[in-house]
Amino acid sequence: AQTVTQSQPEMSVQEAETVTLSCTYDTSESNYYLFWYKQPPSRQMILVIRQEAYKQQNATENRFSVNFQKAAKSFSLKISDSQLGDTAMYFCAFYNTNAGKSTFGDGTTLTVKP
Amino acid sequence: EPEVTQTPSHQVTQMGQEVILRCVPISNHLYFYWYRQILGQKVEFLVSFYNNEISEKSEIFDDQFSVERPDGSNFTLKIRSTKLEDSAMYFCASKEGLAGVIRDTQYFGPGTRLTVL
Repeated sequence: AQTVTQSQPEMSVQEAETVTLSCTYDTSESNYYLFWYKQPPSRQMILVIRQEAYKQQNATENRFSVNFQKAAKSFSLKISDSQLGDTAMYFCAFYNTNAGKSTFGDGTTLTVKP
Repeated sequence: EPEVTQTPSHQVTQMGQEVILRCVPISNHLYFYWYRQILGQKVEFLVSFYNNEISEKSEIFDDQFSVERPDGSNFTLKIRSTKLEDSAMYFCASKEGLAGVIRDTQYFGPGTRLTVL
């Protein structure tokens, strides 16, 4: 079974600054995907960014990028130029392609301060 | 951009009553899922569904739960006799298919908040 650990329950950052959210996972699978989802107060789950395990190049999506370290089983999310609308809970998720399901971390609550 | 939709957004029910949560997955998607999130806790997998049958289910998904795709567009989760501990946000998700992270990405609906009194 996979486990996903987000060690930072809460974080805060000043508007326009950069913040990094950490995520580590444990698996014996070789083929998998990793995702970051954003959950604002409305509680909708919004896809932020995704990474294929077999790709060494880190995924980027506008102000969002990841630092994927496969050997260390680490998948951190960097948010550049933080905006007030980035305030949300962020979930790291491991997708097992064999089992066809996602395992989520506990989440990190990010607050962007003006 | 196509979205997964869910109805109702909030459902209040009495303990022991049956509830049906409805989802409309993205139209060309073939794989469907239900997850739940108890308030303050992590999102948990309940069940996956493909080709009109359950592919995988968690230990949470006991005999009180069932899923159905009654027509070509809806995907439902039924809880036969609700318990207080069923109170949670229920998320439907769908994905297009296999082979590649884009087709294999799960897209989530906005959720249905179920409150059992």
